[in-house]
Amino acid sequence: EPEVTQTPSHQVTQMGQEVILRCVPISNHLYFYWYRQILGQKVEFLVSFYNNEISEKSEIFDDQFSVERPDGSNFTLKIRSTKLEDSAMYFCASSEVRGVGEKLFFGSGTQLSVL
Amino acid sequence: SQQGEEDPQALSIQEGENATMNCSYKTSINNLQWYRQNSGRGLVHLILIRSNEREKHSGRLRVTLDTSKKSSSLLITASRAADTASYFCATDGAAGNKLTFGGGTRVLVKP
Repeated sequence: EPEVTQTPSHQVTQMGQEVILRCVPISNHLYFYWYRQILGQKVEFLVSFYNNEISEKSEIFDDQFSVERPDGSNFTLKIRSTKLEDSAMYFCASSEVRGVGEKLFFGSGTQLSVL
Repeated sequence: SQQGEEDPQALSIQEGENATMNCSYKTSINNLQWYRQNSGRGLVHLILIRSNEREKHSGRLRVTLDTSKKSSSLLITASRAADTASYFCATDGAAGNKLTFGGGTRVLVKP
C-alpha cells in the first residue's frame, strides 16, 4: 500500500538553527499538509499546499516557517531559526483530491527536538 | 471545550470487551473523521462520517454522529490487544481538508 514517508525520523538541533523536514507524499496525490503535535497536546494544522502554493495556513505558520515542493516528489518544511517551543512531532500528510470528506494519509512523523 | 474534544481521555479494558469513546465539537461540520495513532507513529484514518449520516460501520468499528448535539461516538467491538492506541476525532468544517483534531482518547486493551 502506498504511504507517505518522512525523513529524518528524529532531528535534534540547537536553538536558532535552521531545520528542513522532508516528506515524500503518495505519488498521485495533489494536496499536501504539515501538522504538528507537541508532546501531550493536540495535533495542530500548520499549512496546506496545492499547485505549488500555500492554500491555507494557521497562525502557527509564521514567517519562520516555509514549505516547498522542490521537485516532483519531495515536500519540505523549513524552520529558519528554531525556538525551544518548536519541539514537536511534525507530520506530513497528503490527499488525492481536495474537497469535503477526503481522508488524509499521514507519514510517521519527524520528532524535532530543539535544545 | 474546544473543537473536537474526546471523552474519556483514557480507557482501559479487557480484550474482548467493547470500547466506546465520544467526541464533541462546537462549530458546524461537513464531516467528522476518526484516526488512530499508535505510540510514536503517524495517524491512520479509520472512518469518515458525513454530516448527513447518522451511523456508519467498518469492520469492528461503529461510528455515530448527532449533529444536533454536535457529538460523535466511536465504538470498537470485541477489542484486541492490537487496538491499543490513541484515537482522535477530526472535523472538517469548510471546503478543503484542514482538519481540527481533538485531544484524543488513549485506549489500553489488556490481554
